[in-house]
Amino acid sequence: DIQLTQSPSFLSASVGDRVTISCRASQGIGSYLAWFQQKPGKAPNLLIYATSTLQSGVPSRFSGSGSGTEFTLTISSLQPEDFATYYCQQLNSYPPTFGQGTMVEIK
Amino acid sequence: EVQLVESGGDLVQPGGSLRLSCAASGFTFSSYAMNWVRQTPGKGLEWVSVIRASGGGTYYADSVKGRFTVFRDTSMDTLYLQMNSLRAEDTAIYYCAKAGNSNWYLFDYWGQGTLVTVSS
Repeated sequence: DIQLTQSPSFLSASVGDRVTISCRASQGIGSYLAWFQQKPGKAPNLLIYATSTLQSGVPSRFSGSGSGTEFTLTISSLQPEDFATYYCQQLNSYPPTFGQGTMVEIK
Repeated sequence: EVQLVESGGDLVQPGGSLRLSCAASGFTFSSYAMNWVRQTPGKGLEWVSVIRASGGGTYYADSVKGRFTVFRDTSMDTLYLQMNSLRAEDTAIYYCAKAGNSNWYLFDYWGQGTLVTVSS
């Protein structure tokens, strides 16, 4: 199975900060990477797929980049509603796998 | 508006069985693959199973293969997960997730989840 390693696991930031979360795959996955946001007690919500395509309704402050084994989720200006846990997921090969998550907390 | 509503989670003893349901609305259910994904504090998010739009193909994670069965009723727009021989490590929140247009494993909409607890 392809392993996804996110860094950092925990991030403390302030409103307005630029935030970057990394996701490294154990082998190449092309551009088959998605990002999810999850708030406590809620299901994950798709933010980005195909590395950089924003899901409908997702604010443009979210962006994704990368290819192969190295990927990045960027939030250009952190808003209060963005404090949550973020997960990457590869959909290149069976079985699909997720990263361990990055919790973004208010500083 | 796409809606997925899971039900059926419960406390069950090891070795027992449980059937989860996921009622779908707001899209043409028969046209999309559907998945089950589970989440635990310890192991995080884990994909469990997918069933193709036609219902003719099903795939499972190794951890549940031979014990879980996914099926769908297109007349009822409902997805199911039959879970047998349950183990403590199956304890999790179970989500159903709709597949996107381009990939079975693109989870574009999720239900709210249903909690399965396996314990004596």
